Amino acid sequence: KAGVTQTPRYLIKTRGQQVTLSCSPISGHRSVSWYQQTPGQGLQFLFEYFSETQRNKGNFPGRFSGRQFSNSRSEMNVSTLELGDSALYLCASSFLATGDGYTFGSGTRLTVV
Amino acid sequence: QKEVEQNSGPLSVPEGAIASLNCTYSDRGSQSFFWYRQYSGKSPELIMFIYSNGDKEDGRFTAQLNKASQYVSLLIRDSQPSDSATYLCAVMEGTYKYIFGTGTRLKVLA
Repeated sequence: KAGVTQTPRYLIKTRGQQVTLSCSPISGHRSVSWYQQTPGQGLQFLFEYFSETQRNKGNFPGRFSGRQFSNSRSEMNVSTLELGDSALYLCASSFLATGDGYTFGSGTRLTVV
Repeated sequence: QKEVEQNSGPLSVPEGAIASLNCTYSDRGSQSFFWYRQYSGKSPELIMFIYSNGDKEDGRFTAQLNKASQYVSLLIRDSQPSDSATYLCAVMEGTYKYIFGTGTRLKVLA
């Protein structure tokens, strides 16, 4: 059974650029959540999608956005990149996201220079 | 702002000992609690979850929940060097969102 697949694994971008990250959940999982992980802040919730609908959103600026497609694949976009956006971005999928726990992808390491 | 707190460690235990990892949370209404393990350079992986007060055992791992005191703990029996990792506590906030602690780094000394 394939796990959660995130692409790309590594990205280097310049301040002011935008970036799109992709996540393919485990087959049959309809909930996809995104987290930002940094050494100082730990895992911070970005948003959660289920059946193409955003059901919850974290406290991030509007530069962070996401969407989910009908096949449950999800993308997140960060516009006007700042140095502080450098982080590991983790996608996690679950069957319902109502208490069944996550399976995380390997993450995308974003470096903004 | 709801919070989940963990001692950052490192917590060092000798091989074969019991490692005890603790987590406190601020939202008294929280119902679901999770422990994840994260090896250096890897993504978190789910170890176990607990919903009810008391203990839940899974192999060498035991999760303990005390809702009145708002803490959840993870015990690792017969600790092995391969258990050396960062352990993340997560609490479900409302619906569809988890709050993670910053993790406790465990070092098991051979």
